[in-house]
Amino acid sequence: NAGVMQNPRHLVRRRGQEARLRCSPMKGHSHVYWYRQLPEEGLKFMVYLQKENIIDESGMPKERFSAEFPKEGPSILRIQQVVRGDSAAYFCASSRLRASTDTQYFGPGTRLTVL
Amino acid sequence: AQSVTQLGSHVSVSEGALVLLRCNYSSSVPPYLFWYVQYPNQGLQLLLKYTTGATLVKGINGFEAEFKKSETSFHLTKPSAHMSDAAEYFCAVTLNTGNQFYFGTGTSLTVIP
Repeated sequence: NAGVMQNPRHLVRRRGQEARLRCSPMKGHSHVYWYRQLPEEGLKFMVYLQKENIIDESGMPKERFSAEFPKEGPSILRIQQVVRGDSAAYFCASSRLRASTDTQYFGPGTRLTVL
Repeated sequence: AQSVTQLGSHVSVSEGALVLLRCNYSSSVPPYLFWYVQYPNQGLQLLLKYTTGATLVKGINGFEAEFKKSETSFHLTKPSAHMSDAAEYFCAVTLNTGNQFYFGTGTSLTVIP
């Protein structure tokens, strides 16, 4: 059973471009969480999705950021018009049930660098 | 709201020595508590978790943690450090009804040969 897959592992964008980060959860997992990790900081919750639905996006910046988890295919975190402050590691995690009642499995992360 | 404080961003221990990583939480209701380990350029891996029941929780790789409600703590320990334990460790808290996990800022563990 493959683990959580994220791609790309490294992404370089210039200011103003769009960044698309993909997360394929583990087989049988319908709950996906996105986190952002800034240098020297812990992970900050961004959004929680369950197939085709956004359950909690309270940690997501109101502008430029969006997330989806379609019926088919990976979950996508989209950042429009990136700025240098978006440079960070973005991790997704998946679980079979809601993470508080189950185990979250983390992907290896996508490291976004904005030039 | 919930929060986690990890005291000591960097901890160094000698190989074979006791490992103690500190975590204090803030929660208005009974929390669920977790310890994760992160190796360089990798995602987080669950070490152990406390939800309900026995307050001393045993995890993988010989780690354990004890939930102390009176001290609002969930410190991580291992009797004898191994070189392979060198990594970043994160404490996290959530609620049984919660969606969000709140992570501490992490403690970098160095093991000295």
